Amino acid sequence: EAQVTQNPRYLITVTGKKLTVTCSQNMNHEYMSWYRQDPGLGLRQIYYSMNVEVTDKGDVPEGYKVSRKEKRNFPLILESPSPNQTSLYFCASSLYLPLRDTSYEQYFGPGTRLTVT
Amino acid sequence: KQEVTQIPAALSVPEGENLVLNCSFTDSAIYNLQWFRQDPGKGLTSLLLIQSSQREQTSGRLNASLDKSSGRSTLYIAASQPGDSATYLCAPVGGSQGNLIFGKGTKLSVKP
Repeated sequence: EAQVTQNPRYLITVTGKKLTVTCSQNMNHEYMSWYRQDPGLGLRQIYYSMNVEVTDKGDVPEGYKVSRKEKRNFPLILESPSPNQTSLYFCASSLYLPLRDTSYEQYFGPGTRLTVT
Repeated sequence: KQEVTQIPAALSVPEGENLVLNCSFTDSAIYNLQWFRQDPGKGLTSLLLIQSSQREQTSGRLNASLDKSSGRSTLYIAASQPGDSATYLCAPVGGSQGNLIFGKGTKLSVKP
């Protein structure tokens, strides 16, 4: 089954304790990205990757890191989590980066609910 | 900066009604627009993708239209069912990041 998976689905942690949220897709997609969803603010992009070893900042990258060593995986790293990073996180992927006149559907993972105390 | 507005914010209808959800966006230079549904505590499910060159896209009881020049898209749901209850999100894509810019959504409740 074609899908985007995330782990863990729920995580409660303390301020400053490094954590990684994994994301994996089995559709051979080149484009992957991370979003966070907050009440009243909607979904906002954190980082994106156009292909292996190519990553770039989205709209809200502060406090996050990513890596793309393999095509299928795109982990989100919080080196020193803070309470303002408490949020619902989504990983997404599509075949390629959307371009003018050539666009592809983006698929989302089930989400990771992170609480930082 | 792209801004997306969805009206109404919430909608409650009896089962069987046809309904329209509205989405407006400020920057018409978009590549495509995608409609999603989100169930409480769940991820986003893609419903329809409309390319910038298209005017309409249909899937089952769903029909989405796009008027890029006026910055509007509508999602039409025919013969609504209780299972359609969810939050519907509209998200145009444009620019070098390929990121979806989401509206705040319309929370739909279909009563049996």
